[in-house]
Amino acid sequence: GAVVSQHPSWVICKSGTSVKIECRSLDFQATTMFWYRQFPKQSLMLMATSNEGSKATYEQGVEKDKFLINHASLTLSTLTVTSAHPEDSSFYICSARAGNSGELFFGEGSRLTVL
Amino acid sequence: GENVEQHPSTLSVQEGDSAVIKCTYSDSASNYFPWYKQELGKRPQLIIDIRSNVGEKKDQRIAVTLNKTAKHFSLHITETQPEDSAVYFCAASTGGTSYGKLTFGQGTILTVHP
Repeated sequence: GAVVSQHPSWVICKSGTSVKIECRSLDFQATTMFWYRQFPKQSLMLMATSNEGSKATYEQGVEKDKFLINHASLTLSTLTVTSAHPEDSSFYICSARAGNSGELFFGEGSRLTVL
Repeated sequence: GENVEQHPSTLSVQEGDSAVIKCTYSDSASNYFPWYKQELGKRPQLIIDIRSNVGEKKDQRIAVTLNKTAKHFSLHITETQPEDSAVYFCAASTGGTSYGKLTFGQGTILTVHP
């Protein structure tokens, strides 16, 4: 089946640094990808919708200048957490769909720990 | 926006018993309702989904029912096994260009005791 891959699977960084997470659709083209954040023992919360070739759409309460999303190709979306702080520590998961009504696929997730 | 409520937050059953998890949603435009199983530290796995033009769907030991009028849907797992232990999430989404934009419930921790 289709695969969505995230990298890195985990990352530890110092407070104030920036971290980039990649989400790739390996065997299909994804015009739309979604970024979710999951704090420990909580649900997945949608952060933003990433559209290839255009600006991302952010959910209410998500700072677009802090969470930079780039969807430069049909197989790659990146999430950059800028000036990360300990409260940004979380599990970040992307998902992608194949076409407007295709099946949804989740990446493996990236666990960010900010010291 | 959409709001999805999920109950119970924890569910403990004996192996072989049935488990039922219920969700309600607020947006009458939602028409796609997937259920996910998530093990610790891993990605959510789709276990079953239902669209609004169907009232019930079954796949072996797993079934989902949808009541559009009441805006609620339920997951039924029969003959539970210890390997069913995980966190289960319901979700809702509208179609069209918003398809895939999921609103998740709070999750249910299911524990199946041998």
